[in-house]
Amino acid sequence: AQSVSQHNHHVILSEAASLELGCNYSYGGTVNLFWYVQYPGQHLQLLLKYFSGDPLVKGIKGFEAEFIKSKFSFNLRKPSVQWSDTAEYFCGGGADGLTFGKGTHLIIQP
Amino acid sequence: DTGVSQDPRHKITKRGQNVTFRCDPISEHNRLYWYRQTLGQGPEFLTYFQNEAQLEKSRLLSDRFSAERPKGSFSTLEIQRTEQGDSAMYLCASSLLGSFTEAFFGQGTRLTVV
Repeated sequence: AQSVSQHNHHVILSEAASLELGCNYSYGGTVNLFWYVQYPGQHLQLLLKYFSGDPLVKGIKGFEAEFIKSKFSFNLRKPSVQWSDTAEYFCGGGADGLTFGKGTHLIIQP
Repeated sequence: DTGVSQDPRHKITKRGQNVTFRCDPISEHNRLYWYRQTLGQGPEFLTYFQNEAQLEKSRLLSDRFSAERPKGSFSTLEIQRTEQGDSAMYLCASSLLGSFTEAFFGQGTRLTVV
């Protein structure tokens, strides 16, 4: 069975700090991985995705993620966070992209 | 505006009543997905359609739940004999065939069963 797990459920950072949110996946077959973000009161939006090719994927708003096959990981990173990055972040994956992690609630303090 | 619209945005119902939600996807999208999200959890897959065909259903989808997409455009999700445990946000998403990660989500329908 496919599964995706996120390590950190709540993260609090100060502005300009670096961010790394962990995500591990567990399934075989075609690897489709993605990160979605949900800002307060808004719908889920795609941040970035990985299907194949360059394992370092760049997304919107300065986010990036690295697919490391040997570690079954797809961690999300941002070198310097802003207050506006406060949101819920969801990692997901699967053959049809049908499985989400439980999410990480990120709070950025001014 | 994502282009995926859901109606209603909020629904409060008494236990035992039936409810129906509607999702209008982006017009050219072949695939349509239903998810359920509860507080502190990620979206849980319920079912998805490719055009009018329902291709997969989660075990979470008990026989009280039914979804349709009769003409391959809008979809409805019906919950019969609602229970308090059905209280959640019901999300709809749509995508083009073969590219789930391009899925666009609606704002969701928040169901409260009292």
